[in-house]
Amino acid sequence: EIVLTQSPGTLSLSPGERATLSCRASQSVSNNYLVWYQQKPGQAPRLLIYGASSRATGIPDRFSGSGSGTDFTLTISRLEPEDFAVYYCQQYGSSLKTFGQGTKVEIK
Amino acid sequence: EVQLLESGGGLVQPGGSLRLSCAASGFAFSTYAMSWVRQAPGKGLEWVSGISGSGGSTYYADSVRGRFTISRDSSKNTMYVQMNNLRAEDTAVYYCAKSGVVGSKGKDYFDYWGQGTLVTVSS
Repeated sequence: EIVLTQSPGTLSLSPGERATLSCRASQSVSNNYLVWYQQKPGQAPRLLIYGASSRATGIPDRFSGSGSGTDFTLTISRLEPEDFAVYYCQQYGSSLKTFGQGTKVEIK
Repeated sequence: EVQLLESGGGLVQPGGSLRLSCAASGFAFSTYAMSWVRQAPGKGLEWVSGISGSGGSTYYADSVRGRFTISRDSSKNTMYVQMNNLRAEDTAVYYCAKSGVVGSKGKDYFDYWGQGTLVTVSS
């Protein structure tokens, strides 16, 4: 099983600032099959990024993904008020899919 | 518009059983794998089980293998999970999720999610 470790656990930032979230895998993720989701309280997760760096349909270009192998990053270039949420990474390089534990982006 | 609607959640005693359903619409149901993903109260996401578009391949997390059985009925555009021998640690919101990959062979991410159904295992 591939274990995904996200850091930091909580990120306290102000609107307009840049957010950088990390997701580290315990072993290399096949074909960089890694995605990022956003989840707001009481809502289902929303797909942001797939294949490590491709934006999903309708996702603003302030969201970008990068990385390969075991180290992946989600960057939000300028935080909007609606971006304060919990973010999860997930690997799908294996049929045993796993999620990171999440990073909460909160208003400072 | 893709829609996924879960049902069947509720309160069940430890050792009991429950069947969840996920009614899908707005896409070619038989073309896409589907999964169940759960979230315990205040916790993160955990993939539980998946099934291929044809229903011929099924996948389970170690935590539920042997207790949960996933299935789908293409005539009804509906996916199910039969949950037996439930434990307190199975308490969670259970989400139905559609694969974003055609022909994924189990390697899925999820482009659409339902709103979830709450399962509470308690005496």
